Amino acid sequence: GQNIDQPTEMTATEGAIVQINCTYQTSGFNGLFWYQQHAGEAPTFLSYNVLDGLEEKGRFSSFLSRSKGYSYLLLKELQMKDSASYLCAVRDRGYGGSQGNLIFGKGTKLSVKP
Amino acid sequence: DTGVSQNPRHKITKRGQNVTFRCDPISEHNRLYWYRQTLGQGPEFLTYFQNEAQLEKSRLLSDRFSAERPKGSFSTLEIQRTEQGDSAMYLCASSLQGNEQYFGPGTRLTVT
Repeated sequence: GQNIDQPTEMTATEGAIVQINCTYQTSGFNGLFWYQQHAGEAPTFLSYNVLDGLEEKGRFSSFLSRSKGYSYLLLKELQMKDSASYLCAVRDRGYGGSQGNLIFGKGTKLSVKP
Repeated sequence: DTGVSQNPRHKITKRGQNVTFRCDPISEHNRLYWYRQTLGQGPEFLTYFQNEAQLEKSRLLSDRFSAERPKGSFSTLEIQRTEQGDSAMYLCASSLQGNEQYFGPGTRLTVT
């Protein structure tokens, strides 16, 4: 079966660092994505990991361990505008071995407080 | 091209009516995806196209749902005989091959 788990809610303070964890069990794996979604808006792409290790992109970093079925998104120097839902998504293998669709977790609602 | 666009942004319909949504992807993107999202959940995959070919369809997708992408550019999603459980945000995304997907603003459907 397909299962992606992430915490439902988290709270952090402006200027701090927060780590959002994601564990997954899927029938196929072809990469892991993190998306940010503000309330009432569409998801926007943040990061992508297909190999083990850390990918850094400004204030945002994402880590992947395929053997553990585990990823995290690290947000540094938190700002109030970072208050949003963060969605972990695994890309399935798809048709004929090609890169397929995304399977999303339920999202982690992050609240950044002054 | 400023991104993925979807029309209409909101649709209110009565149970039993048919509705059709349109998605215009980023012009150079050959893949187009449809997702459905309800409150407090992540997007749920419905179907995707590579050019005009529909390559995958969710097993959970009712026969009342059909999607087309006739010329490999815009796509339509039709829901026949709508039910209250169809109320959701319908998101379209596009990508170049299997790279990161860019989402449109969504169509919010309310079935009364």
